[in-house]
Amino acid sequence: QKEVEQNSGPLSVPEGAIASLNCTYSDRGSQSFFWYRQYSGKSPELIMFIYSNGDKEDGRFTAQLNKASQYVSLLIRDSQPSDSATYLCAGVTWGAGGTSYGKLTFGQGTILTVHP
Amino acid sequence: DVKVTQSSRYLVKRTGEKVFLECVQDMDHENMFWYRQDPGLGLRLIYFSYDVKMKEKGDIPEGYSVSREKKERFSLILESASTNQTSMYLCASSLSRGSFSPTDTQYFGPGTRLTVL
Repeated sequence: QKEVEQNSGPLSVPEGAIASLNCTYSDRGSQSFFWYRQYSGKSPELIMFIYSNGDKEDGRFTAQLNKASQYVSLLIRDSQPSDSATYLCAGVTWGAGGTSYGKLTFGQGTILTVHP
Repeated sequence: DVKVTQSSRYLVKRTGEKVFLECVQDMDHENMFWYRQDPGLGLRLIYFSYDVKMKEKGDIPEGYSVSREKKERFSLILESASTNQTSMYLCASSLSRGSFSPTDTQYFGPGTRLTVL
């Protein structure tokens, strides 16, 4: 079973702090990873994707990918109460013949609470 | 902007009823997906489709079927609804078939919260 595991959480950080969300994956063939944010009662929305080793920054968000260690992380700088949500990590799932059909394997999600 | 719409936000059905959930995307995406999301179990893939009339089973296809007669529309069918199918159902679509690119990004509809009594 190819899996994506997220740190269990829930995670609580004070406003203004850095929130660190981590994800490990078992399929060495996975190349592309996505972070989604899901507010309570809403559907997931894309924050960012990463497919190259290293860091990728977008505003207050930084995604990090380490293919050798098979982990992906998301850092949220200057956390705000509006960042309180469930964060989902997902990786592309590759099937037989090297075709993914765009399937993603999602982690269980980490609940983040940013308190004032 | 990509737009994925689902036919209903909330639906209440009786055990044994046949239930249709519809999903429409307006960005000419190749792939469409149906998930269910339950507390503590995360997102689980029911079925997906990578082309018109093509479908593949996901992780939990039992009790469900799908139809994709047009590229923009993907329907989930509960042949005989049961109480254990009470859940949030999410539809998603993506552009490509997977090529190490951002076109693998899945865009989600608003979800349908189905209650089976």
